[in-house]
Amino acid sequence: DVKVTQSSRYLVKRTGEKVFLECVQDMDHENMFWYRQDPGLGLRLIYFSYDVKMKEKGDIPEGYSVSREKKERFSLILESASTNQTSMYLCASRRPGHTYEQYFGPGTRLTVT
Amino acid sequence: AQRVTQPEKLLSVFKGAPVELKCNYSYSGSPELFWYVQYSRQRLQLLLRHISRESIKGFTADLNKGETSFHLKKPFAQEEDSAMYYCALSGDAGNMLTFGGGTRLMVKP
Repeated sequence: DVKVTQSSRYLVKRTGEKVFLECVQDMDHENMFWYRQDPGLGLRLIYFSYDVKMKEKGDIPEGYSVSREKKERFSLILESASTNQTSMYLCASRRPGHTYEQYFGPGTRLTVT
Repeated sequence: AQRVTQPEKLLSVFKGAPVELKCNYSYSGSPELFWYVQYSRQRLQLLLRHISRESIKGFTADLNKGETSFHLKKPFAQEEDSAMYYCALSGDAGNMLTFGGGTRLMVKP
């Protein structure tokens, strides 16, 4: 069974803190993705990674960075959290190729106060 | 650039009524279109994709390249269809998947 896991379901952080969101997949997928999900805006791509140590900016990378040191793990980093980064964060993975489906994690609801 | 538009944020129907969730896209190449669904308290998952041309849970979607649409249809809605539905496009030029804003479907008894 396909599995994408995220380190936390709920997270509360203070403005200015450094925040790490972790994602792990067990499907040996090369491609991994980080999205944020906001009502009315759908899912917006923050960063994606083609393979280990490779990354590309998505539509809204400002204020975020990522790390992919191992194939199964893709981390999203908020260098200095701000209140406008309060959101649901979804991780996904996929085999390479645009016809393949993405498998999503359960999401992390981050609140920045 | 690729773009997906779902014009309805909320669609409310009665059980047994037909359902059509609209999706329009813009992309200059050869796109692959998907519908993803998120039931309450569950993770986002694939419902169906254009390339498979299959019916899942009674839902179908036809790619209309002339109208650049990929509307999701079901002839008789069920209460368990209530969920958030997202249309998504994957372009042949890269790996990105672009999502629409989503439509919340509520099926009333």
